[in-house]
Amino acid sequence: NAGVMQNPRHLVRRRGQEARLRCSPMKGHSHVYWYRQLPEEGLKFMVYLQKENIIDESGMPKERFSAEFPKEGPSILRIQQVVRGDSAAYFCASSPGGSRDTEAFFGQGTRLTVV
Amino acid sequence: GQSLEQPSEVTAVEGAIVQINCTYQTSGFYGLSWYQQHDGGAPTFLSYNALDGLEETGRFSSFLSRSDSYGYLLLQELQMKDSASYFCAVNSPNAGKSTFGDGTTLTVKP
Repeated sequence: NAGVMQNPRHLVRRRGQEARLRCSPMKGHSHVYWYRQLPEEGLKFMVYLQKENIIDESGMPKERFSAEFPKEGPSILRIQQVVRGDSAAYFCASSPGGSRDTEAFFGQGTRLTVV
Repeated sequence: GQSLEQPSEVTAVEGAIVQINCTYQTSGFYGLSWYQQHDGGAPTFLSYNALDGLEETGRFSSFLSRSDSYGYLLLQELQMKDSASYFCAVNSPNAGKSTFGDGTTLTVKP
């Protein structure tokens, strides 16, 4: 049973370009979460999605950032017109949901560098 | 809002016991989790406490006191491979949506 898969592992973009980060949850998991981590800091919640629905985007910047989790395929975190401050590690996590939802499983992350 | 405080760094020697404390402020509490992260890799779930008391999993134990808004992670028989960052996190009803502390960097020395 493969874990949470994220790609790419490393992504370099020039200022103004678009970044697309992909996340495939663990098999059987229908809940996906995106986090951002700056160096020497904790993970900051961005958005929580279920298939075809954004459940909570309270941590998402209002501009340039969007996320989706289509019926088929991975979840996508999209950052338009990237700036240097977007450089960070972006982690995706998944969980099964339901009453026993006490553990989230994280992917290896995508390290975005904006040059 | 929610906020968590934990020490930024802890150093201990191999074979010792170390305790990493975490205090939190939250408007709604569903549980306290602990995660381990090596060198910026994938955070790995260690433990979860929803009720007061001690949860033991091998060399790792986690404690929660809801009345004190306080918990700790206890690592016993430290090994070099335990050198990592450890994060406490306050859960929402969904495990994946959590508020994380800034992490404690544990260095285990020979």
